[in-house]
Amino acid sequence: DVKVTQSSRYLVKRTGEKVFLECVQDMDHENMFWYRQDPGLGLRLIYFSYDVKMKEKGDIPEGYSVSREKKERFSLILESASTNQTSMYLCASSPGTVHRYEQYFGPGTRLTVT
Amino acid sequence: AQTVTQSQPEMSVQEAETVTLSCTYDTSENNYYLFWYKQPPSRQMILVIRQEAYKQQNATENRFSVNFQKAAKSFSLKISDSQLGDTAMYFCAFMRSNTGNQFYFGTGTSLTVIP
Repeated sequence: DVKVTQSSRYLVKRTGEKVFLECVQDMDHENMFWYRQDPGLGLRLIYFSYDVKMKEKGDIPEGYSVSREKKERFSLILESASTNQTSMYLCASSPGTVHRYEQYFGPGTRLTVT
Repeated sequence: AQTVTQSQPEMSVQEAETVTLSCTYDTSENNYYLFWYKQPPSRQMILVIRQEAYKQQNATENRFSVNFQKAAKSFSLKISDSQLGDTAMYFCAFMRSNTGNQFYFGTGTSLTVIP
């Protein structure tokens, strides 16, 4: 089974802090994704990566950055956390090969910024 | 831009009954993929079923089936013999063909199965 893990299930940070959310997958998947999930808004894509050191902006990249130094690890960085970044953050990965595009999700990190 | 609409924020169904969740999408593409994901309370999101747009036959996975109407851009999920474990948030998702990348998710339908 594909396993996607995230470093924390719950996180509380203060406004202005730099926040790192880590995601690791163990199936050698090419693609990795970061979403935020908010009630009534569904999942919105922040960034994705289709290869090591490659990244693409999603729909809501403002206030975030990402890093993918190794194939299995994809980090989301909040440079200066703000209260409007309080949310559930989901990481996902996918093989990205022909006819195998489904995404596999981690358990999520519920971030509260106070 | 692709949009995915789930018009039913909340639904409920009696145990053992059948329920249908609606999803419509907007695209000018001809080849694409559609997915239904399930997110149980406080648990990980998992794939329920997928459909390739080039396939006319509706996908089926045990008690879960879809009604894919390409011309109408409709992709509904039918759950038969509902079980308590089906209680979850359900998300419909769209992906353009051969990109392997960006999914577009609907806002979700919260389904409660009543004993």
